[in-house]
Amino acid sequence: QKEVEQDPGPLSVPEGAIVSLNCTYSNSAFQYFMWYRQYSRKGPELLMYTYSSGNKEDGRFTAQVDKSSKYISLFIRDSQPSDSATYLCAMTDRGSTLGRLYFGRGTQLTVWP
Amino acid sequence: DTEVTQTPKHLVMGMTNKKSLKCEQHMGHRAMYWYKQKAKKPPELMFVYSYEKLSINESVPSRFSPECPNSSLLNLHLHALQPEDSALYLCASSHGGNTEAFFGQGTRLTVV
Repeated sequence: QKEVEQDPGPLSVPEGAIVSLNCTYSNSAFQYFMWYRQYSRKGPELLMYTYSSGNKEDGRFTAQVDKSSKYISLFIRDSQPSDSATYLCAMTDRGSTLGRLYFGRGTQLTVWP
Repeated sequence: DTEVTQTPKHLVMGMTNKKSLKCEQHMGHRAMYWYKQKAKKPPELMFVYSYEKLSINESVPSRFSPECPNSSLLNLHLHALQPEDSALYLCASSHGGNTEAFFGQGTRLTVV
C-alpha cells in the first residue's frame, strides 16, 4: 500500500461545477499538507498548504484536512477551463527536518466550456 | 518572490554527452531538491541538499551527479545517460522541515 493514495481520474466536469479532489494517507506522522497544480509539461505550482485539521479557503479553492480519518480534500468552486490540469497532493513527515515530500499520484482534471 | 529558475528548459543529449542542469532560488531557502518526473507519474525524489550538504541520495545512479555551489544554486551534472533517463527534471526549494516547497518549471530532457 502506498503511503499516499489519490484517485488518478481522469475527472471531467462542465464549467461552473464544484470539483472535489481527495487523498488518503496511512502515515500518522504526516503533518503538513499541500496541493499542487501542474499543467502539461510544466512544473508543479503550489496552490494551497495547511497544517491544521479543518478548512482553509483561498478564493475559489478550499483545502480540507481531517487528521483523524487521514483524509485531505481540495474543493474548486465555479471551475473554469483554465483549471484543467493535474492536481497533486503532497505531505511532509513531522519527524523529518529535510522537508521531503510524499506525493499522491495526481488527479487529471478537465473542465469543459 | 517565490520563483525557482531552472535552465535550460529543454535539453537533447546523446548517450556519450556530458551536460548540466542548473537551478537558482533567492528565497533564502536552506533545502534544495532534485526530482525526476515521468509522464503521468508524480515527481520522484532524487537528491536533497540541506545547508549546501547532500543529505539524501535516493540510490540514484552515478551518471547523475548533484552539486550545490552555494545556498542559492543547485546543479545536476549528467554523463553517459540512457534513453530511459528521458524525463522532466524538477528542482524545488523550501525552508526544510514542515514547510511548503516551491518548484521550478523543469528541464525536459531527451536522451537519444
